[in-house]
Amino acid sequence: IAGITQAPTSQILAAGRRMTLRCTQDMRHNAMYWYRQDLGLGLRLIHYSNTAGTTGKGEVPDGYSVSRANTDDFPLTLASAVPSQTSVYFCASSDASMGEQFFGPGTRLTVL
Amino acid sequence: GQNIDQPTEMTATEGAIVQINCTYQTSGFNGLFWYQQHAGEAPTFLSYNVLDGLEEKGRFSSFLSRSKGYSYLLLKELQMKDSASYLCAVGDGDYKLSFGAGTTVTVRA
Repeated sequence: IAGITQAPTSQILAAGRRMTLRCTQDMRHNAMYWYRQDLGLGLRLIHYSNTAGTTGKGEVPDGYSVSRANTDDFPLTLASAVPSQTSVYFCASSDASMGEQFFGPGTRLTVL
Repeated sequence: GQNIDQPTEMTATEGAIVQINCTYQTSGFNGLFWYQQHAGEAPTFLSYNVLDGLEEKGRFSSFLSRSKGYSYLLLKELQMKDSASYLCAVGDGDYKLSFGAGTTVTVRA
């Protein structure tokens, strides 16, 4: 692994189903983030974690949950998917001292 | 909260110069970032300004005026591969970034 990986690459999901998007980084960054990107709205922060064991809410957290059990992994869970959660989801990480965020390749999620 | 504005679209000719402006109003500030995003790909870091002035990195330069809440990204000697979205983002002082909606730059031959 080099950098940040996300899985799956894309997914079509029925409304009401539970879904977990996976994110793993191997850069030992302490901070990790989840964004959604929608046309015309740019990247919006869903949840973040400044260090393992802590999480925080971003701009659009409703309907999503996260956990940060270790440094490398930061999964995002949709407990009961709705069509408005159709989007491209990006995971990112940063070293707190640098500020620059590195992004994973993204997951394209469609909720029908 | 954060309010970040940048133009939606810009078009320029190969070899030309384009300047993408970004204005922001934020509750906290620890730097301004520019990212490039090609269609269907992840954003990639271009530049970072925390002090006023111009930062130059090859064909790309970024300027910041903190008192004016203003930044620009200057792309020189445009190439076809520069066709992409350019995202302005402000650091809020707590490791988080707020992004503008992005400026789509189209380079024409």
